[in-house]
Amino acid sequence: EVQLVESGGDLIPPWGSLRLSCAASGFTVSNKYMAWVRQAPGKGLEWVSSVTGGGGTFYADSMKGRFIVSRDNSMNTLYLQMNSLRVEDTAVYYCARGSSSASIFDSWGQGTLVTVSS
Amino acid sequence: EIVLTQSPATLSLSPGERATLSCRASQSIGTYLVWYQQKPGQAPRLLIYDASNRATGIPARFSGSGSGTDFTLTVSSLAPEDFAFYYCQQRSDWPLSFGGGTKVEIK
Repeated sequence: EVQLVESGGDLIPPWGSLRLSCAASGFTVSNKYMAWVRQAPGKGLEWVSSVTGGGGTFYADSMKGRFIVSRDNSMNTLYLQMNSLRVEDTAVYYCARGSSSASIFDSWGQGTLVTVSS
Repeated sequence: EIVLTQSPATLSLSPGERATLSCRASQSIGTYLVWYQQKPGQAPRLLIYDASNRATGIPARFSGSGSGTDFTLTVSSLAPEDFAFYYCQQRSDWPLSFGGGTKVEIK
């Protein structure tokens, strides 16, 4: 059974840093498209970042230079390092698995809440 | 950047009625359009990929159509569990993007 479990969400002051984790089971993250998608309170879905099976990384414009996506194949875990956090980064962060080496997200975690506030 | 515009923002219908949701892209995306359903407090669920292909386990009352810039998600007869938010997503180009969503609520 495919499962994704996010962790690491917290209350953090502006300009702070945080690392989110997404532990995967039932498949191997190393050969899948994986992504982070966020949802601000009461708002819609917003794509954050993706890593392809080949290791290519992509970011939404507002996250470039601040967020870094990576994966640890030995731990079968996806990470999102978030730096220079802003109030507007407050959201539930979901990790998602791409299906068939594409950005078709067929499995999602339950999400982890990041609150940026002084 | 490809912008997806969903309409209407809210659709008020009764169980058993037909729901028609629209997603319009700011430029042609072929058939690289995906639909998700999300209920409050839950993660999104994949419904339709590449415009018209139902994901595994999705009931036949859900169907998708369209290509280029105009896409439609149709629910032929709304079941009680179908009242939720629906989002489209394009996978044609980076950055990926989602539409703003349509809420299907009980009338």
